[in-house]
Amino acid sequence: RKEVEQDPGPFNVPEGATVAFNCTYSNSASQSFFWYRQDCRKEPKLLMSVYSSGNEDGRFTAQLNRASQYISLLIRDSKLSDSATYLCVVNYNTGGFKTIFGAGTRLFVKA
Amino acid sequence: DTEVTQTPKHLVMGMTNKKSLKCEQHMGHRAMYWYKQKAKKPPELMFVYSYEKLSINESVPSRFSPECPNSSLLNLHLHALQPEDSALYLCASSQDQQPWGGYTFGSGTRLTVV
Repeated sequence: RKEVEQDPGPFNVPEGATVAFNCTYSNSASQSFFWYRQDCRKEPKLLMSVYSSGNEDGRFTAQLNRASQYISLLIRDSKLSDSATYLCVVNYNTGGFKTIFGAGTRLFVKA
Repeated sequence: DTEVTQTPKHLVMGMTNKKSLKCEQHMGHRAMYWYKQKAKKPPELMFVYSYEKLSINESVPSRFSPECPNSSLLNLHLHALQPEDSALYLCASSQDQQPWGGYTFGSGTRLTVV
């Protein structure tokens, strides 16, 4: 089982749709969680940190479920410019700090 | 200044060449990283520098040699690379080696080995 797993997609949605991505992690000692966005042939950019209480930034909402060991990202009112790959990132510190990237979920938003 | 700057943006090199990738940040971050990313794959960690000392080397072949001249600069020296080393090389920084606040990535160097 991979340490961090994401549905690779692609997700093809129309503009204005709501889309949700999940990411599961295997290490229960995981301590911090992030969503990054990566456009084609560009660098990853930090989209949001994910907190236990859930957090929202405009059209984006991130949730963490420690009991089930998954994080989610909800995008409301999708825009064409949201088309990108979304990477889930998990940090843990057991015998040394480690950062694990998920393989990414591709999103295409169509007009 | 909230950027990580990488040069060059593109590099084509022969298998016998020696070249260097450069990375600079002025955010006062004390940890800097080299990642390698192949197409449609997530970034893979190569090296971590913390307070200018190499703290992690993820079993990277010796044809890749990192250097951290000071707290703002990170280099990656390349020698005798193979075509399979062609990839996007990303530099990143974080406040310290435990990036609870996440990374800031540079825009990367797209390397082609011919």
